[in-house]
Amino acid sequence: GQSLEQPSEVTAVEGAIVQINCTYQTSGFYGLSWYQQHDGGAPTFLSYNALDGLEETGRFSSFLSRSDSYGYLLLQELQMKDSASYFCAVRDSTSGYALNFGKGTSLLVTP
Amino acid sequence: NAGVTQTPKFQVLKTGQSMTLQCAQDMNHEYMSWYRQDPGMGLRLIHYSVGAGITDQGEVPNGYNVSRSTTEDFPLRLLSAAPSQTSVYFCASSYLPTGKNTEAFFGQGTRLTVV
Repeated sequence: GQSLEQPSEVTAVEGAIVQINCTYQTSGFYGLSWYQQHDGGAPTFLSYNALDGLEETGRFSSFLSRSDSYGYLLLQELQMKDSASYFCAVRDSTSGYALNFGKGTSLLVTP
Repeated sequence: NAGVTQTPKFQVLKTGQSMTLQCAQDMNHEYMSWYRQDPGMGLRLIHYSVGAGITDQGEVPNGYNVSRSTTEDFPLRLLSAAPSQTSVYFCASSYLPTGKNTEAFFGQGTRLTVV
């Protein structure tokens, strides 16, 4: 089976940088994704890492270390609208490449 | 572009009733899946499909059936609703995740209450 661990809550100040960590255990790792979900809304895709290293998309970056089964999402220049839940998710080749999610990190950005 | 469309948006059922949650996508995605989201539990996979005629179980399949007769549609059937199935249900679609583009697109969700 799979398991993903991420912090349940993070609070940061507007304009700051925040890092949300994710550790995973899976038998057929195929890639780590990050999704954002605002209250009452649908999850939306942020980034994907299949190989070790950093992927940058505007203010958001995502990092993966396959040897450590670890990744993180880095949010820079935080804005109030970044207050949301952030989910890491892995695809596992042993379960039909299904996308399996962590329980999510609730990010609160304060003025 | 419609993307992924789920209907209904809200539903109240009585215990023991059955119903079908509809999901349709217009992006020609091969891969479709259903999740339920409960407070503090993240999104849990119910069933998924890698193409028309092919379905498989996810983490929490009990009490749910699916079928995939076309590429576009992936309905989720609740056979005999129970209060434990009160949840928000999301349908998602993507290209087959063995390619480089693994982004999943989600519908707006169906908020189901079973009384």
